Amino acid sequence: KQEVTQIPAALSVPEGENLVLNCSFTDSAIYNLQWFRQDPGKGLTSLLLIQSSQREQTSGRLNASLDKSSGRSTLYIAASQPGDSATYLCAVRPAGGYNKLIFGAGTRLAVHP
Amino acid sequence: EAQVTQNPRYLITVTGKKLTVTCSQNMNHEYMSWYRQDPGLGLRQIYYSMNVEVTDKGDVPEGYKVSRKEKRNFPLILESPSPNQTSLYFCASSSRGLDEKLFFGSGTQLSVL
Repeated sequence: KQEVTQIPAALSVPEGENLVLNCSFTDSAIYNLQWFRQDPGKGLTSLLLIQSSQREQTSGRLNASLDKSSGRSTLYIAASQPGDSATYLCAVRPAGGYNKLIFGAGTRLAVHP
Repeated sequence: EAQVTQNPRYLITVTGKKLTVTCSQNMNHEYMSWYRQDPGLGLRQIYYSMNVEVTDKGDVPEGYKVSRKEKRNFPLILESPSPNQTSLYFCASSSRGLDEKLFFGSGTQLSVL
């Protein structure tokens, strides 16, 4: 059974730091992996989607990498800003499981001025 | 504006009183899904629908019903709510493709007393 784990559960950093959020999954048979952002009182917003054949995706200050064989993904945020404060979730789409995403519990990030 | 709309945002009810949470999307998406989010557990899929009149169970379907009579709407029905269904609920939709990003509604916070 696929399980997704995110470490750390919470992170507090000063503005301007580069930071890395980690996501691990137990079964390497995946179609893709997505990173989402969740703001309080709002739904989830998709940030990056990495196909299983890809190694990384970039969008602005965000870079997500995928190492399928080791069951790991990282989300790198460059030059963090207070507006980056949110909960970040990763989710995998299992191979053969088109109909679902399996989510981690998230990392709650606070960036203070 | 492309969006997934859930109503209501907040709902307090009592055990056994039937309720419906509505979900509507304006993107002509084939795929729609319901998730619940509980502290420390991430999001878990309740039901999903691949198209009109096509629905199937997710990981935690007990106590819930859904219907898909129109492409844009996917209501979640709790026939006899119980306190363990107190949770934050999200509706999501996407086009029918393995690399399609998921669009989420803003969530419904349900409390069953």
